[in-house]
Amino acid sequence: GQNIDQPTEMTATEGAIVQINCTYQTSGFNGLFWYQQHAGEAPTFLSYNVLDGLEEKGRFSSFLSRSKGYSYLLLKELQMKDSASYLCAVSPPGNYQLIWGAGTKLIIKP
Amino acid sequence: DARVTQTPRHKVTEMGQEVTMRCQPILGHNTVFWYRQTMMQGLELLAYFRNRAPLDDSGMPKDRFSAEMPDATLATLKIQPSEPRDSAVYFCASGSGGTQYFGPGTRLLVL
Repeated sequence: GQNIDQPTEMTATEGAIVQINCTYQTSGFNGLFWYQQHAGEAPTFLSYNVLDGLEEKGRFSSFLSRSKGYSYLLLKELQMKDSASYLCAVSPPGNYQLIWGAGTKLIIKP
Repeated sequence: DARVTQTPRHKVTEMGQEVTMRCQPILGHNTVFWYRQTMMQGLELLAYFRNRAPLDDSGMPKDRFSAEMPDATLATLKIQPSEPRDSAVYFCASGSGGTQYFGPGTRLLVL
């Protein structure tokens, strides 16, 4: 079957670093996406990993291990505006759909 | 700045009424998706199109929902008749590769 697991909720402090994990079991794999969704808004694209390793984009980095079926999103120098849900999604081969995780709600405290 | 647009942004209707939601995908994108999001269910794929052809609508209740792409600049999602359990945010997304770009959503409330 297809399954993507992420923690439901995480809390972190402004200025700190937080790592949001995502594990997946899917029949085939092309790549993994991370999206950010602020409350009341649409999901917005953050990153896409195809190969193993770390991709850095400013304060946000995303890591992928295909052999372990594991990814994480690393957020550094947290700001209050980073309070949002973070959605992990897998792209299966031969298919234009994405398989979505339920999302991790990140709460940033001052 | 190319964006997916959706109308209406909010809709309040009574049970039994028809609801039509519209989406204009980003110009040049050939894949269009309709999603529904609720607090309980997260993001659910209802239907998607590739080059205007429906590829999968298995997530959609067929008796009341229908999705079409009359042309490359317009996708529609209809609910007839609507029910209170249809209350949710409906997102349209478009893409040309793997990445999907979402519209702002239609927030539907069926009383």
